Amino acid sequence: KNEVEQSPQNLTAQEGEFITINCSYSVGISALHWLQQHPGGGIVSLFMLSSGKKKHGRLIATINIQEKHSSLHITASHPRDSAVYICAVSGGSQGNLIFGKGTKLSVKP
Amino acid sequence: NAGVTQTPKFRVLKTGQSMTLLCAQDMNHEYMYWYRQDPGMGLRLIHYSVGEGTTAKGEVPDGYNVSRLKKQNFLLGLESAAPSQTSVYFCASREAVAGLNEQFFGPGTRLTVL
Repeated sequence: KNEVEQSPQNLTAQEGEFITINCSYSVGISALHWLQQHPGGGIVSLFMLSSGKKKHGRLIATINIQEKHSSLHITASHPRDSAVYICAVSGGSQGNLIFGKGTKLSVKP
Repeated sequence: NAGVTQTPKFRVLKTGQSMTLLCAQDMNHEYMYWYRQDPGMGLRLIHYSVGEGTTAKGEVPDGYNVSRLKKQNFLLGLESAAPSQTSVYFCASREAVAGLNEQFFGPGTRLTVL
């Protein structure tokens, strides 16, 4: 069983829809990361959180430590949000990241 | 600041050839990482370094070697490339301060081994 599981694997939405991507993990962590990867592009860190909720523009990330679960929400989705969203967790003495397989989001105009 | 840069961006090798991928960062980060990304799989750690002159194995180190002779550079070497090493390679770096472990990624190197 993977230590970091994301769902769904693929997601297609219409512009303006509210989107939720889920991440569950099975290991102890010091922080959870949400990353964004555009097609053919590099990887950008969106959020790093260890508790509660963070918001940046139309993106909101939440984490429930007791349930070992995090969600990434996108409000009023736009075609430019089309990308792969990756959940990763860090822990241990070296703080290395363990990655989920990613969720491919496509937002249609 | 350029952040994290990778050289080259693309490369095609024949089986058995060797090459070195260069990662450079200008943020004075202690920690540096090499990952590979394959379809249907999450990023996997190849090797990492916690400081100049130190390296350690990650999840998938076989067939790769690394060196960190200068703090700003982390080199990934393939001594005898194999088709199974066809992948996209990402380098990343971060601060060593506890809790500040956001990683900054390079743009990636797409490697094809024929």
